[in-house]
Amino acid sequence: QQPVQSPQAVILREGEDAVINCSSSKALYSVHWYRQKHGEAPVFLMILLKGGEQKGHDKISASFNEKKQQSSLYLTASQLSYSGTYFCGTYGSSNTGKLIFGQGTTLQVKP
Amino acid sequence: DGGITQSPKYLFRKEGQNVTLSCEQNLNHDAMYWYRQDPGQGLRLIYYSQIVNDFQKGDIAEGYSVSREKKESFPLTVTSAQKNPTAFYLCASRLRGLDPNTEAFFGQGTRLTVV
Repeated sequence: QQPVQSPQAVILREGEDAVINCSSSKALYSVHWYRQKHGEAPVFLMILLKGGEQKGHDKISASFNEKKQQSSLYLTASQLSYSGTYFCGTYGSSNTGKLIFGQGTTLQVKP
Repeated sequence: DGGITQSPKYLFRKEGQNVTLSCEQNLNHDAMYWYRQDPGQGLRLIYYSQIVNDFQKGDIAEGYSVSREKKESFPLTVTSAQKNPTAFYLCASRLRGLDPNTEAFFGQGTRLTVV
């Protein structure tokens, strides 16, 4: 039932790009993306709504293909501060308030 | 400052004892959630609540119980029936639980160790 994220882990050099994928087996209303630094609480990045546009801020953007029930998070020209674990959260089309998360993708950016 | 407060940060209990984790928010959010975080398994939903005096089981509710007597509070009890309770527990809230366009705010978590 949890959405499936891939890859599980990524190691990058500063300035390189990365893509993190999130796939659900159920129809979705929205997809959320969060980043968690070690020992800290997850922090919200963005929400993508069914029928909405691709979103982004700074060099982090995301897309949502509602027909395929998939979302991708794009990190371009990665910075050291991008290191952490990224989680996608999925909100089902049944609209019950249930928000569930994937297993996470650990991103490490090296100098 | 508005936010979500989880206490305590670290908790140790003996096997067979029930333990209650506290979660309080002063954001005036309607919905509250409990997640369990284990290495490699991400965040798994235990219970969630959209309004006072109502809550729903998540994907791994067995061995846990909750109450929502006040809008700002959503305590989680880990009972002796939970077979592997040692984990990091995160509480979250959302302004409007039934709005898919509302983000979650997380507390700092409680690390529970059962010995």
